[in-house]
Amino acid sequence: DQQVKQNSPSLSVQEGRISILNCDYTNSMFDYFLWYKKYPAEGPTFLISISSIKDKNEDGRFTVFLNKSAKHLSLHIVPSQPGDSAVYFCAATWSGSARQLTFGSGTQLTVLP
Amino acid sequence: KAGVTQTPRYLIKTRGQQVTLSCSPISGHRSVSWYQQTPGQGLQFLFEYFSETQRNKGNFPGRFSGRQFSNSRSEMNVSTLELGDSALYLCASSLAGTGDPANEKLFFGSGTQLSVL
Repeated sequence: DQQVKQNSPSLSVQEGRISILNCDYTNSMFDYFLWYKKYPAEGPTFLISISSIKDKNEDGRFTVFLNKSAKHLSLHIVPSQPGDSAVYFCAATWSGSARQLTFGSGTQLTVLP
Repeated sequence: KAGVTQTPRYLIKTRGQQVTLSCSPISGHRSVSWYQQTPGQGLQFLFEYFSETQRNKGNFPGRFSGRQFSNSRSEMNVSTLELGDSALYLCASSLAGTGDPANEKLFFGSGTQLSVL
């Protein structure tokens, strides 16, 4: 029973264009969502997060959107750069259990020069 | 500040053996969590330790256990290894002060790649 789903295993985007990575969740208890980026042979690194009381959070080129009614979130990267090529994991948790993350299966983003 | 350190980086074991993995958190971080990453199941939560006590546990069999020492360093043990235990085991640390997710980002180590033959 996957509570956090990333239905696209891979995504290719041209440099300078927008990358949109999607994530769906099923557990209504989740109230905090995060995106992690992972390069080969390294651990995941935190990218951006959003609380369920917000519907958008921006940090430089990265914006996360949350649609609670649809239980859907997305990560927008604008403009995309070749260095953004990595596996992106969506994760969810709930207040009081902040360190127990439920991860999606990841999306391999490839930014083509 | 040094990051999360995991040792060893690679490990090869045979079925039935046991293995111990080590994790040193970022200095000042009191919480250590363990995750298993496999191609089929993605990243799955194993357990979390805080002040030498297990606070949360994921849905893994009792063969998976861990502990945390007074200096916050943690070890994870898997007994009676099975082929399906082959995975990347990731350790993450956080400050774990408030319980507020906004203030408790996880910082991951590079992991221990375990292969069970």
